[in-house]
Amino acid sequence: NAGVTQTPKFRILKIGQSMTLQCAQDMNHNYMYWYRQDPGMGLKLIYYSVGAGITDKGEVPNGYNVSRSTTEDFPLRLELAAPSQTSVYFCASSHGQINSPLHFGNGTRLTVT
Amino acid sequence: AQTVTQSQPEMSVQEAETVTLSCTYDTSESDYYLFWYKQPPSRQMILVIRQEAYKQQNATENRFSVNFQKAAKSFSLKISDSQLGDAAMYFCAYRSAINTGNQFYFGTGTSLTVIP
Repeated sequence: NAGVTQTPKFRILKIGQSMTLQCAQDMNHNYMYWYRQDPGMGLKLIYYSVGAGITDKGEVPNGYNVSRSTTEDFPLRLELAAPSQTSVYFCASSHGQINSPLHFGNGTRLTVT
Repeated sequence: AQTVTQSQPEMSVQEAETVTLSCTYDTSESDYYLFWYKQPPSRQMILVIRQEAYKQQNATENRFSVNFQKAAKSFSLKISDSQLGDAAMYFCAYRSAINTGNQFYFGTGTSLTVIP
């Protein structure tokens, strides 16, 4: 039972480089989310999706893009990486029912230098 | 947007003792869920407990229980018989029933240290 799988676990980028953080879930969840976690700041929502083909911006979307071509996959694209994007990134998924918790991946630690 | 406040950035507790982590939230909604998540040094986010706003009875999961005060918009987590493995960051989260995407709102976390 894999749950939510995120890759890579760690990555170092140079300023201006691009990369894609991969996220896949095998629980048939319609709702998927990308968060970033900065020290002392909790979790900030970057983008979310309520189903295949549907995405929407969260609180801090600038510098990121997402796509949701299938129910299972929700990749996060960083274009022109900046030091401000140094953070830990979490992908999560959930059923649509209100009582359903978030199921998290193990996170990606990204450093931009 | 709803706001979730955890006013204790750091807490400590002696092993085997009880500790309470506080969480307050701001909402005008009547239907919602509240969650506590634990994040140990491994970085993994683990669900600890959840509470439905319409249930007056406080949720309990083994050594973890909540004190849910709907009118006061308070949702504290009590950890009894604290163990070394309880050392972690704890996040309080609110899930709306009505907004688009059923978004979750998180507090800034409380770092719990367990003293042997």
